[in-house]
Amino acid sequence: QQQVKQSPQSLIVQKGGISIINCAYENTAFDYFPWYQQFPGKGPALLIAIRPDVSEKKEGRFTISFNKSAKQFSLHIMDSQPGDSATYFCAASGTYNTDKLIFGTGTRLQVFP
Amino acid sequence: KAGVTQTPRYLIKTRGQQVTLSCSPISGHRSVSWYQQTPGQGLQFLFEYFSETQRNKGNFPGRFSGRQFSNSRSEMNVSTLELGDSALYLCASSLSSAQYFGPGTRLLVL
Repeated sequence: QQQVKQSPQSLIVQKGGISIINCAYENTAFDYFPWYQQFPGKGPALLIAIRPDVSEKKEGRFTISFNKSAKQFSLHIMDSQPGDSATYFCAASGTYNTDKLIFGTGTRLQVFP
Repeated sequence: KAGVTQTPRYLIKTRGQQVTLSCSPISGHRSVSWYQQTPGQGLQFLFEYFSETQRNKGNFPGRFSGRQFSNSRSEMNVSTLELGDSALYLCASSLSSAQYFGPGTRLLVL
């Protein structure tokens, strides 16, 4: 019940295309859902996060879509660029354990020119 | 503001030894969390400290321990190292919900 399932494991997108990564969770106590971007040799960097009271949040080219009834959320990267090539992780945490992030297994994104 | 810093960045130890890793959070952040990242298990939560008290703990053996000092800096210790402890150890600090990660300490156990 503590798991966060992430798909796909890897994704290849052409420059200018849309990258979509999906995550699903079981624990209804989760109420904070961040996405992280990680480049090789670096720590994960917070991209964008959402709470269940909104269905969508957009920051620049990055959008989170959230479906509370389906317990799913997804990251959309619009106009994907080669510089977006990295590993992306979704995560979730609960109201009383906000600093205990449960991570998905990661998606390796490659954007080709 | 300076980000989360971790020292050392790389470490090589042998089985049976112990190791101490250090983390300095972003100024003003009082919560520090530790994670282990491996290719096989991904990112796993170790523990979280707030105001020098452990608030949360993950499912790791007692060989993994930590502490936090009054200036919010944190250390984690792994005793009796095993080959499987080879990993990237990440520290994150937070003020509210958002956690900001450091670059990690890459530990290799031989």
